[in-house]
Amino acid sequence: QVHLQQWGAGLLKPSETLSLTCAVYGGSFSGYYWSWIRQPPGKGLEWIGEITRSGNTNYNPSLMGRVAISGDTSKNQFSLHLNFVTAADTAVYYCARMNYYDHYGSLHWYFDFWGRGTPVTVSS
Amino acid sequence: QSVLTQPPSASGTPGQRVTISCSGSSSNIGNNYAYWYQQLPGTAPKLLIYTNDQRPSGVPDRFSGSKSGTSASLAISGLRSEDEAEYFCASWDVSLPSWVFGGGTMLTVL
Repeated sequence: QVHLQQWGAGLLKPSETLSLTCAVYGGSFSGYYWSWIRQPPGKGLEWIGEITRSGNTNYNPSLMGRVAISGDTSKNQFSLHLNFVTAADTAVYYCARMNYYDHYGSLHWYFDFWGRGTPVTVSS
Repeated sequence: QSVLTQPPSASGTPGQRVTISCSGSSSNIGNNYAYWYQQLPGTAPKLLIYTNDQRPSGVPDRFSGSKSGTSASLAISGLRSEDEAEYFCASWDVSLPSWVFGGGTMLTVL
């Protein structure tokens, strides 16, 4: 069974960098895409971005310029870095594996396993 | 506000059938698949339905999904106390472009 274990600093000051890591246990790392998703208090989920099987990254346009996702295939881990955080970045951050459905050769990716979430608070 | 619209709450008694709706637009559900997740308090979200109506192995057939136009629905039949959780929908939005989610529906089993 796939298990995602995530960790990182839970309390940051404004303008600092948020750094989280997600380790993958019980499954292949290189065969999937990997994403980060967050949920601010009292609000809905927001997709942050993904790293693909080939190491390419795609980000939510609303966070472009502040976000970077990287992967380490030797450790079966991937990481999130978000620069210049503000109170608006306070949220529970989830890592997730992306699997695909093959529809006549067209691949449709979706989140199939999630981590338990890491609460991050930005406060001066 | 969330791009996909869900009712904030739903309820039912054991054994009943409950339906949760997810309303989107032509740039997401209307032209892409819908997905459903269940989240019990303090746990990781769990995939219930993928590509509109497919169940991953291990998900009981009491859970079913459907899509019509720009809306999707999750139906839970034979409601059980352990179904009490938050349910949220997701889809890819081609206009943003980004994954978008519903605000979540808290299901209470009375």
